[in-house]
Amino acid sequence: DAMVIQNPRYQVTQFGKPVTLSCSQTLNHNVMYWYQQKSSQAPKLLFHYYDKDFNNEADTPDNFQSRRPNTSFCFLDIRSPGLGDAAMYLCATSRPGTGVLNEQFFGPGTRLTVL
Amino acid sequence: DAKTTQPNSMESNEEEPVHLPCNHSTISGTDYIHWYRQLPSQGPEYVIHGLTSNVNNRMASLAIAEDRKSSTLILHRATLRDAAVYYCILRDVEGGSGNTPLVFGKGTRLSVIA
Repeated sequence: DAMVIQNPRYQVTQFGKPVTLSCSQTLNHNVMYWYQQKSSQAPKLLFHYYDKDFNNEADTPDNFQSRRPNTSFCFLDIRSPGLGDAAMYLCATSRPGTGVLNEQFFGPGTRLTVL
Repeated sequence: DAKTTQPNSMESNEEEPVHLPCNHSTISGTDYIHWYRQLPSQGPEYVIHGLTSNVNNRMASLAIAEDRKSSTLILHRATLRDAAVYYCILRDVEGGSGNTPLVFGKGTRLSVIA
């Protein structure tokens, strides 16, 4: 089945130690998104790619970076994780619009713990 | 994006219909109403969307008020698997890219009792 895959599902890192989360998709969608979801809160958009065009949300900290080497893969890099960055990180994809807003397909998320 | 207001939580008995309300009094003419839900330990999933007319699909129905300032997601027979957080989201179609990121509100946590 076509899907959005996130690895690993659980990631533990140390305070200040860089960490990379990965997302891959078999849907061949042009758009990929990264959301951060803290405990008992709604998902919050960090940034998204439309093909190779990167769109950063204004309030996304500089500590968060992203790379998209090809259509299928997208990475979230946290350069110096703090305790406040512990959260679920969700990757999502969508197809370019055809006049109707297309649904987003989400992966299962990576739960990041910062010690 | 225009904001939405939903109850924090609702409870339903299994096999009964559930009506999840959403208020969006500042909705603009180009805002679509989308519903997503998030099952425990999973990413959100699309449920339904609409603009003006009521909509039905295999998962749910969406009833939209005539003035579009409110809408209701209807689950016709709640099952235990429907226990989730349900998000009502407005997405502006103006610009036509069709890829406006979702802006999530707090949603409604639905509990289903066996």
